[in-house]
Amino acid sequence: EDKVVQSPLSLVVHEGDTVTLNCSYEVTNFRSLLWYKQEKKAPTFLFMLTSSGIEKKSGRLSSILDKKELFSILNITATQTGDSAVYLCAVRRSGNTGKLIFGQGTTLQVKP
Amino acid sequence: SQTIHQWPATLVQPVGSPLSLECTVEGTSNPNLYWYRQAAGRGLQLLFYSVGIGQISSEVPQNLSASRPQDRQFILSSKKLLLSDSGFYLCAWSVDSNYEQYFGPGTRLTVT
Repeated sequence: EDKVVQSPLSLVVHEGDTVTLNCSYEVTNFRSLLWYKQEKKAPTFLFMLTSSGIEKKSGRLSSILDKKELFSILNITATQTGDSAVYLCAVRRSGNTGKLIFGQGTTLQVKP
Repeated sequence: SQTIHQWPATLVQPVGSPLSLECTVEGTSNPNLYWYRQAAGRGLQLLFYSVGIGQISSEVPQNLSASRPQDRQFILSSKKLLLSDSGFYLCAWSVDSNYEQYFGPGTRLTVT
């Protein structure tokens, strides 16, 4: 059965800290891995990764995929209180549906 | 630019009552459309997806149904709600199966 597991489930840090969120997966016919940030309502898209070893970066956020070890990490440097959210990892299989399989999410709280 | 709308934003319904949630997308044609449900503290579970008008695929057996009467309109329905139908319902769209999905603001449904 396809599975996406995120760790830790929750994390509390202080402003300025650097955090690393993990996502491991067991999915047949892997195609891509996506990261989303969910604050109060709709998840907002962060990154989509398809190739191993190529870092994607946006401001203080970056992510990388390891297709051999079947995991991805999301790094946030110099955290701010606005980074507090649930971070969701999702994996897509090959095929024409675009179906995403989500992990349970990591809740990040950044304290001032 | 593309936007996605969902309504209502919140809904409280008694057990056994019918349900109709609506999702519309603007600014794109022939999108893939998805319905997800998010239970409290959990990841997103795909309920239905559609690659075109009248084309609906169901991911999990349940008392919900979906329809796509127009290219950019996706409706989630039930004839009789159960307590277990409570949750946060999210609609999403993508250009096609290989691209990221963008989520609507969601509907929080409470079945009493």
